[in-house]
Formats: sequence, structure tokens, C-alpha cells
Amino acid sequence: GENVEQHPSTLSVQEGDSAVIKCTYSDSASNYFPWYKQELGKRPQLIIDIRSNVGEKKDQRIAVTLNKTAKHFSLHITETQPEDSAVYFCASRTDSNYQLIWGAGTKLIIKP
Amino acid sequence: SQTIHQWPATLVQPVGSPLSLECTVEGTSNPNLYWYRQAAGRGLQLLFYSVGIGQISSEVPQNLSASRPQDRQFILSSKKLLLSDSGFYLCAWSVFLTDTQYFGPGTRLTVL
Repeated sequence: GENVEQHPSTLSVQEGDSAVIKCTYSDSASNYFPWYKQELGKRPQLIIDIRSNVGEKKDQRIAVTLNKTAKHFSLHITETQPEDSAVYFCASRTDSNYQLIWGAGTKLIIKP
Repeated sequence: SQTIHQWPATLVQPVGSPLSLECTVEGTSNPNLYWYRQAAGRGLQLLFYSVGIGQISSEVPQNLSASRPQDRQFILSSKKLLLSDSGFYLCAWSVFLTDTQYFGPGTRLTVL
């Protein structure tokens, strides 16, 4: 069935450095790719999303890139700050199936 | 703007007891509504979704059920809780099934 693989499961970076989280999807018909941030004990919150007609999208320190040929998309966080520490989830969806297919999550740790 | 509420925020229940969790959305009409469960340190599992009053679709067979008695109200229930029902229950809404999903604050359920 459809699945989304997310790597790494844990990522530790020095404050100020960049962080990259990668997801690979299986359904070539997938056309919507959101990223959610979940702080400890809180709800997941959408931080950025991209649709398949776009290769890259940026919002300040956060960017998402999409490679449809390779069927993967990545979250890039630059100039990381302590408040970026959280679990990040990727997901994918097709127009024919409302259901989001979720990655397993990446725990991002920002070291001071 | 739209707001989503869930209650209670935390709940501790004995095995075999009933359950009722409530979710309401304000500021929108005829939203699509979703119930997710997140086990400790894990990803998101879709349990139910609803496209309208009285319309419920189940994604995972279990001892849980859902109901939508009003347009902006979604209820998750169980007649007899199991230990494995412990987790973080999240309600979400979207305008369309293929639209962005926004999560409520969640209910943390512990079954003892």
C-alpha cells in the first residue's frame, strides 16, 4: 500500500546550523505534501506545504523541496534556534484519496 | 477565524469504563472532521472521518465509535476501554477532504 518513509528518526544539530529532513513517498499520484511540527504535549501544527506543480517553497527560515521523479520531498530549516526543537511529521496525499499518509516523524534536537 | 476545541484535555479511566470525547469547530460551516490517535512517541493514526452530519467513515476496526450529531460537533466514544486505547486523541478539520487539516489541542487519555 501507500507509505511515506521519513529519515532520520532523530536529528541533532548545533544552534545556528541547518537541518534537513527527507521523506520518500510511494504513490506517484501524490500531489500534496504538508509538514507539521509537534512540540512536546501539543498538537501538530502545519508549518509549510507544497503541491506537485511547484518544486520549492520558502517561508523565512523554512523551505520544502519536491523531486517528483525521485518521489521525495525534504524540509530545510536554516539558522536553527532552540524553539525549532520538536517532532516534525511529513505526509502525502492524492486527489483520489482524502487520507493523509504520514511519515513516522523526526525528533529534531537543537544543541545550544 | 476558525477555532477547534476538544475536551477534556486529560482523562484517566479504568479498563472497561466508557469513554466520550468531544470536538467542536467554530467559524466554519460543514467542515470535514477527523479523529486521530497518537500513541506515545509514535505517529498519527486516522480513526474516523466525517463529511457531514450523521456520516461517519471508519479507518481502523476497534472498540471505538464516532458520531456527528451536529454540523460542527464530532464525538468519539467507547463502551469499554482497553489498555491499548491509551494515547493522545486529536480532532482535526478541513474545508475540503483534499484541503489542509488543522488539529485541535488534543485529549490525553490514560487507561489504567
